[in-house]
Amino acid sequence: EADIYQTPRYLVIGTGKKITLECSQTMGHDKMYWYQQDPGMELHLIHYSYGVNSTEKGDLSSESTVSRIRTEHFPLTLESARPSHTSQYLCASSDSAPGELFFGEGSRLTVL
Amino acid sequence: KNQVEQSPQSLIILEGKNCTLQCNYTVSPFSNLRWYKQDTGRGPVSLTIMTFSENTKSNGRYTATLDADTKQSSLHITASQLSDSASYICVVSDRGSTLGRLYFGRGTQLTVWP
Repeated sequence: EADIYQTPRYLVIGTGKKITLECSQTMGHDKMYWYQQDPGMELHLIHYSYGVNSTEKGDLSSESTVSRIRTEHFPLTLESARPSHTSQYLCASSDSAPGELFFGEGSRLTVL
Repeated sequence: KNQVEQSPQSLIILEGKNCTLQCNYTVSPFSNLRWYKQDTGRGPVSLTIMTFSENTKSNGRYTATLDADTKQSSLHITASQLSDSASYICVVSDRGSTLGRLYFGRGTQLTVWP
C-alpha cells in the first residue's frame, strides 16, 4: 500500500479564498506530481518536481503554484479560488521517471 | 499526435462474468504501458506495467496483454466481483526524453451487478 497522503479530502470554499492542498509521502521518492481530473476525463499534469527546490509546470495551464522545500512534502496553493478551479486534484510520487506512480486519495475542491 | 484511446467508455456486467477492456495508443517512441484501477472518489492504483518486450502480465484476476506492433493493449478481468466496479485507466509512457512523459486515457467505467 502506497504511503502518500492528501488533505483535505473534500473542500468547499467561496470565490476569492486562498487554499492550500497538502500532499506528503513517506517513501522517500524524489519525483512528485499534481494532476487535475474532471469527471469522465483523463488526468492532466499541472505541476511536477524532481527534487527539493525544483518545480516545473505541467501540460495543463494552471493558476496554482507549488513548492518543494522538503522531499516528502509538495503542497499546491491557489491564491484566489474561482469556480473554474472546481475539480479533483491528485498528488502522486515515483522513485524514477517515468517510473511507477503512487497516487494519493485526491482532494475534491468545490469553489462556489 | 500522441494519444491513448480506450473502449468501451462504459461497461456493465454481471458478477462472476469475464470482461475485456481495450486500449489503443499512438504514443511514439514507446516506453511502457500501465493499467490503473480507480475507485470512485479515490486515487488510481497500479494494476500492471509492461515494457516493449512483455506480451502478457497478470495480477490476480487481472491479465493485461500488449501488442507493440499494432499498438494495442487489453485488460482481461476474470470472474468479476462487485469490488471490480471502478474506472480502469490505460497510461502510456514515451521515451522521447530521459524524463519520459505519460499519456492518459479517459478510462473505461466498469459496473459489476450482483
